[in-house]
Amino acid sequence: KAGVTQTPRYLIKTRGQQVTLSCSPISGHRSVSWYQQTPGQGLQFLFEYFSETQRNKGNFPGRFSGRQFSNSRSEMNVSTLELGDSALYLCASSFRFGRGPIYNEQFFGPGTRLTVL
Amino acid sequence: TQLLEQSPQFLSIQEGENLTVYCNSSSVFSSLQWYRQEPGEGPVLLVTVVTGGEVKKLKRLTFQFGDARKDSSLHITAAQPGDTGLYLCAGGGATNKLIFGTGTLLAVQP
Repeated sequence: KAGVTQTPRYLIKTRGQQVTLSCSPISGHRSVSWYQQTPGQGLQFLFEYFSETQRNKGNFPGRFSGRQFSNSRSEMNVSTLELGDSALYLCASSFRFGRGPIYNEQFFGPGTRLTVL
Repeated sequence: TQLLEQSPQFLSIQEGENLTVYCNSSSVFSSLQWYRQEPGEGPVLLVTVVTGGEVKKLKRLTFQFGDARKDSSLHITAAQPGDTGLYLCAGGGATNKLIFGTGTLLAVQP
């Protein structure tokens, strides 16, 4: 079974631009979560989508948004990029949501390394 | 705000040594997961523990969930260079949102 895939793997943008990152979950997984990883703040939750609806949101400004398509693929968008947005953006997929034991087992993709100049 | 503190932050040991990484919080979690991350890659799930006091073994790795489900430990026996990486604990609750620990960077020298 193929794992979580993310594209592109590397991206360089300048301040003020916008960027869209893509994530394809493991086949059959319907929940997709996004995380930002930086050396200073570690891994922080951005948001989660399930059945094309945002279910959870972290403490990030409105410049960070996302969406999920009917095939569970997800995109994340960051508008008006700032230097501080440079980070590894990770996507994780999960099969379970609100059913049975809450294991929260999530499987991560390789990430997109975003550099803002 | 839920926080997960890991200790130590950095660990450099020789091949064959044993080590323990701790993950502590003042909050209760429904589940606790351990991941290992290598440079330039995403975290890879090692184990999930859900019951207070639960102990799970994965070859040379032993994971324990605290009785109160607020803390966890990872013990590695006879560490090997292939164990090198960033170890992350993550707490889960009623949703799929994970609270990640601060991380422990392990280097095993041959």
